Amino acid sequence: QSVLTQPPSASGTPGQRVTISCSGSNSNLGSNYVHWHQQLPGAAPKLLIYKNNLRPSGVPDRFSGSKSGTSASLAISGLRSEDEADYYCAAWDDSLSSHVFGTGTKVTVL
Amino acid sequence: QVQLVQSGAEVKKPGASVKVSCKASGYTFSNSGISWVRQAPGQGLEWMGWISGYNGNTNFAQKLQGRLTMTTDTSTSTAYMELRSLRSDDTAVYYCARSAYPYNWFDPWGQGTLVTVSS
Repeated sequence: QSVLTQPPSASGTPGQRVTISCSGSNSNLGSNYVHWHQQLPGAAPKLLIYKNNLRPSGVPDRFSGSKSGTSASLAISGLRSEDEADYYCAAWDDSLSSHVFGTGTKVTVL
Repeated sequence: QVQLVQSGAEVKKPGASVKVSCKASGYTFSNSGISWVRQAPGQGLEWMGWISGYNGNTNFAQKLQGRLTMTTDTSTSTAYMELRSLRSDDTAVYYCARSAYPYNWFDPWGQGTLVTVSS
């Protein structure tokens, strides 16, 4: 079961800014880093953001992350058609002693 | 470049076991660990557990303890995940991903292995 809550869908037109939220609790987002993964259709997930707001090499700076308390968000600015994908937040949960994922958000470019 | 290559698709009957391999290249295997994540058809991601490439220490999701084994072969830089007593709801794509510690981020991910459990 997912303990991190995300909106099921988000959408925007090319060039717009889209924001995805991730809501958790004190035992996960409240005390540990959040990471974000992008899963393109039919592909394996790929790391997009780690340690709240850091981008791995090769990830465009159109993607940015932030965290405050028990909530986190991923922003995509200058939305492009190739950004159509599922996005998952993830974090360690101290109470469960387990890595937990968000419910996932499907981003559609209109 | 860092790469994880997984074994091919499997079809198993209920009650059987499956063993999936994940061969690492492009980094020193013993300097990191491997997490396993699965994704049922049309569903989200579920973390299964983690194994250290250094000493074989493991950390499993409570839900799967008792049915799950993870091992490594440092001579070939390969990690293995074995799931026993398979049920239909174990049908999923199984991914490995490099993760220095169970609480760390996953990067990169393997290409995935489809395991189908069907009578």
